[in-house]
Amino acid sequence: SAVISQKPSRDICQRGTSLTIQCQVDSQVTMMFWYRQQPGQSLTLIATANQGSEATYESGFVIDKFPISRPNLTFSTLTVSNMSPEDSSIYLCSVLLSRRTDTQYFGPGTRLTVL
Amino acid sequence: GESVGLHLPTLSVQEGDNSIINCAYSNSASDYFIWYKQESGKGPQFIIDIRSNMDKRQGQRVTVLLNKTVKHLSLQIAATQPGDSAVYFCAENSYNTDKLIFGTGTRLQVFP
Repeated sequence: SAVISQKPSRDICQRGTSLTIQCQVDSQVTMMFWYRQQPGQSLTLIATANQGSEATYESGFVIDKFPISRPNLTFSTLTVSNMSPEDSSIYLCSVLLSRRTDTQYFGPGTRLTVL
Repeated sequence: GESVGLHLPTLSVQEGDNSIINCAYSNSASDYFIWYKQESGKGPQFIIDIRSNMDKRQGQRVTVLLNKTVKHLSLQIAATQPGDSAVYFCAENSYNTDKLIFGTGTRLQVFP
């Protein structure tokens, strides 16, 4: 497995502002993903973070709202832009270590509350 | 407090009993399945996985059963302990995609 850290672990933000969440892995990984987990719900994939190119977004998620960067094989950021209370969720990054295994490992999550 | 699992189905078991958590998956083309455990305030933790060419796989105190005919997955936990209290999610994946699709989750409560 891999050691995955996220910063911040939690934050309380005002509506209309933006927050950037960082995900750092202790080893190079093939793929990185960002998920959202709304209160009391399951996990929903936001996008696949592609190294050196634009992220691939799932239906219902757009780059203007959730810009993603992945400058190298161990780091990615997710920005939640122009936040509203509906964006209050846990945001999780996950990694796929290699294409030879399908197991995704998750970071500890960032708990975001928007007032 | 943590809101994960607040509105999810709940399974309550007594310490020492066996637990069975069920999951219906959606895509008949899915060929890889994973069970995750999510404790309060933490990210999902890998428990066990199974591929579609198997119908049973065992780990330490856990067994996953796969019934492809009815698209059903179950997680059995033997001798359930208080530390097993968490929300459990199944996830499915297809060979030609790296995307995981998560089930709704089940909250497991273990009481003494």
